[in-house]
Amino acid sequence: GAGVSQSPRYKVAKRGQDVALRCDPISGHVSLFWYQQALGQGPEFLTYFQNEAQLDKSGLPSDRFFAERPEGSVSTLKIQRTQQEDSAVYLCASSPLRDTGRQPQHFGDGTRLSIL
Amino acid sequence: RKEVEQDPGPFNVPEGATVAFNCTYSNSASQSFFWYRQDCRKEPKLLMSVYSSGNEDGRFTAQLNRASQYISLLIRDSKLSDSATYLCVVIPNFGNEKLTFGTGTRLTIIP
Repeated sequence: GAGVSQSPRYKVAKRGQDVALRCDPISGHVSLFWYQQALGQGPEFLTYFQNEAQLDKSGLPSDRFFAERPEGSVSTLKIQRTQQEDSAVYLCASSPLRDTGRQPQHFGDGTRLSIL
Repeated sequence: RKEVEQDPGPFNVPEGATVAFNCTYSNSASQSFFWYRQDCRKEPKLLMSVYSSGNEDGRFTAQLNRASQYISLLIRDSKLSDSATYLCVVIPNFGNEKLTFGTGTRLTIIP
């Protein structure tokens, strides 16, 4: 289909390892978002891109988290020196418009990250 | 206080019953409101937007009360397939694109 695609679907890493999570948004979508969803909680905002510009990274929990979208399409969320509290589902969402109040975001299936 | 608050449930409701959820938000300047549905181990999917005048989509009715800063969702004639977690979602203000989610309310429809 033509939905938001995320990979890998599942990732298991040892504490201290670096991980990279990929998001392919819907083609042509301007806005791209990353969210973190802990077990039993709603998704929490991490960061937001409009094309290649990272306009808001206020939700990134520490400087171990880094996101990029160099060509304004695919995005990568990188977590360095992973900790157990990083275990969560990482959701990517995209939207065709700048004003997402009128066009809510479409989510990918997420990457389920487990840190041992 | 969380920006968006929901009763996490669980709500266990017999098939055919009517069930209602409420959600409160703290930012009075909030501009856009939605209900998303999330099935177990799946991504959130938009159920419906919420407008000041209230809106209905089949068995689902959403209402917004700006004065009291709460949003409601009513499901009539509930089906087994309505079992899911319902997420209340707010966009806090213009120019701020991020979605702010509640914890979600877990609903199970019992045959």
